Amino acid sequence: RKEVEQDPGPFNVPEGATVAFNCTYSNSASQSFFWYRQDCRKEPKLLMSVYSSGNEDGRFTAQLNRASQYISLLIRDSKLSDSATYLCVVNLGGSYIPTFGRGTSLIVHP
Amino acid sequence: ETGVTQSPTHLIKTRGQQVTLRCSSQSGHNTVSWYQQALGQGPQFIFQYYREEENGRGNFPPRFSGLQFPNYSSELNVNALELDDSALYLCASNGPGGETQYFGPGTRLLVL
Repeated sequence: RKEVEQDPGPFNVPEGATVAFNCTYSNSASQSFFWYRQDCRKEPKLLMSVYSSGNEDGRFTAQLNRASQYISLLIRDSKLSDSATYLCVVNLGGSYIPTFGRGTSLIVHP
Repeated sequence: ETGVTQSPTHLIKTRGQQVTLRCSSQSGHNTVSWYQQALGQGPQFIFQYYREEENGRGNFPPRFSGLQFPNYSSELNVNALELDDSALYLCASNGPGGETQYFGPGTRLLVL
């Protein structure tokens, strides 16, 4: 089983839709979690950290479920500019060596 | 802008050759990590340096080696290139808070 697993998609949604991605991780000692966004042929950029209490940034909401070992990303009112690959990242405790998922591709169409 | 730069942007090599990729981080970013990203995959951790010492290594053979310098620059060296080494190579530095990584634009390596 991979350490961090994501559905590669693509998720193909119309503008204005709500879409959610999940990411599962295998190591229960994982301590910190992030979502990164990667545009085609560009570098990953931090979208948001994921806290135990969940967090929201505008149209984006991230949640952590430690019992089931997954994190989620919810995007409301999708925009064309949201089209990208969303990478889930997990850090083990005490290290800053992250493990990336393979990413979930989102395509928002008119 | 992340303040992390990489050079060159693109590179073509042949099997068996050696390559050196370079990265320059922001001042004060003492941790730098290197990743390999194959097409359609997430970045795979190669190794990490903290204050010029290797601080962790992923599942890559010894022909992948690195250096970090006091001026916040670093290098990734790959010897005896193989076709499967063709990928995007990313470096990332950690900000003062520690966990947030800032990526450079990457170097696209093609091995023929």
